[in-house]
Amino acid sequence: EAGVTQFPSHSVIEKGQTVTLRCDPISGHDNLYWYRRVMGKEIKFLLHFVKESKQDESGMPNNRFLAERTGGTYSTLKVQPAELEDSGVYFCASSQQGRNEQFFGPGTRLTVL
Amino acid sequence: QKEVEQNSGPLSVPEGAIASLNCTYSDRGSQSFFWYRQYSGKSPELIMSIYSNGDKEDGRFTAQLNKASQYVSLLIRDSQPSDSATYLCAVSGGYQKVTFGIGTKLQVIP
Repeated sequence: EAGVTQFPSHSVIEKGQTVTLRCDPISGHDNLYWYRRVMGKEIKFLLHFVKESKQDESGMPNNRFLAERTGGTYSTLKVQPAELEDSGVYFCASSQQGRNEQFFGPGTRLTVL
Repeated sequence: QKEVEQNSGPLSVPEGAIASLNCTYSDRGSQSFFWYRQYSGKSPELIMSIYSNGDKEDGRFTAQLNKASQYVSLLIRDSQPSDSATYLCAVSGGYQKVTFGIGTKLQVIP
């Protein structure tokens, strides 16, 4: 069974540009989560999808971040326009319906210059 | 006060010894508790989950939970150099977001 996959693995952009991160959860997992780790800090929750619906987006830092999960399969996280403080590793995780064990993808390392 | 507290380490133990990793959390309503292992540059890997007070053993790993003291621990018996990694304590209120500690870096010395 394939794990959670994320694309790209690395992205380097300039301040003000737009970046879109993609996450493909484990097949059949209804729950999809986005997290971010800024250097030297804890991994922080961004938002949670149940199928295509946003269940909790309390961790989204501001309206420059837009997450979508059309069709309840893969998800995208767009940052527009990117700021220096958006740099970090963005992790996606998924879990089965009714289970809370979350399985993480390899992450996307975003660097904003 | 951080929601999940861990000593960032490093914690150094000799090969074959028991490594003891500790974590405290602030939310008394927490229901699910996890330990993730993260090798440098890799994704967090779930190694243990525990939901009720007491001990849960899986191979060389034992997770311990004390809800009254808001304390979670992970014991690694017969530590191996391959166990060298950062161990993340994580806590959840249910089928929702997970709150992570900063992680404890473990070094197993051959």
